[in-house]
Amino acid sequence: EPEVTQTPSHQVTQMGQEVILRCVPISNHLYFYWYRQILGQKVEFLVSFYNNEISEKSEIFDDQFSVERPDGSNFTLKIRSTKLEDSAMYFCASSDWTDNQPQHFGDGTRLSIL
Amino acid sequence: QKEVEQDPGPLSVPEGAIVSLNCTYSNSAFQYFMWYRQYSRKGPELLMYTYSSGNKEDGRFTAQVDKSSKYISLFIRDSQPSDSATYLCATRNAGNNRKLIWGLGTSLAVNP
Repeated sequence: EPEVTQTPSHQVTQMGQEVILRCVPISNHLYFYWYRQILGQKVEFLVSFYNNEISEKSEIFDDQFSVERPDGSNFTLKIRSTKLEDSAMYFCASSDWTDNQPQHFGDGTRLSIL
Repeated sequence: QKEVEQDPGPLSVPEGAIVSLNCTYSNSAFQYFMWYRQYSRKGPELLMYTYSSGNKEDGRFTAQVDKSSKYISLFIRDSQPSDSATYLCATRNAGNNRKLIWGLGTSLAVNP
């Protein structure tokens, strides 16, 4: 069964450094998403991406965050200057373009900011 | 009022028991309702996906949505130790704004 893959599984970064989290969505999906889950808290929506542009973003997704589809298979989340509070699990998801299709998730990248 | 509320548990049941997991939500505009299962150090895995009110069954799993009371449920019949995981409910509006709104998740342990 097709799946969403994320790399790396764990990223340790010094505060203030830039980090790029990578995702390969399911191949025929056209909507892509990033969510995060801080330990012990709810999963939170960050951003959705369709047709090479941001479709929707949350208040969390400020100027420190950006997303990109650099080629036909990858989808990336960049955090420009990481903060301690960025430590979380980051999940990528994808879905088909039709409204009634569910989102499928990768296993996440655990981001630890020191 | 929080958008989606879910009792975090933990819930512990013997093998073979029927498990009932529930969420309530506040926004009557929500149209799609999902249950995801999350094992430790893994991503959310889609279990059930329903539109509007009604029931949906898939093997040992049944999802129910009652939009009049803004209440969603997941039932697991003949529970197995392999069902031990965190169960997350999620919901969203119809249309192009597809962000999922999540419950906190309920931790379930099925004891052999």
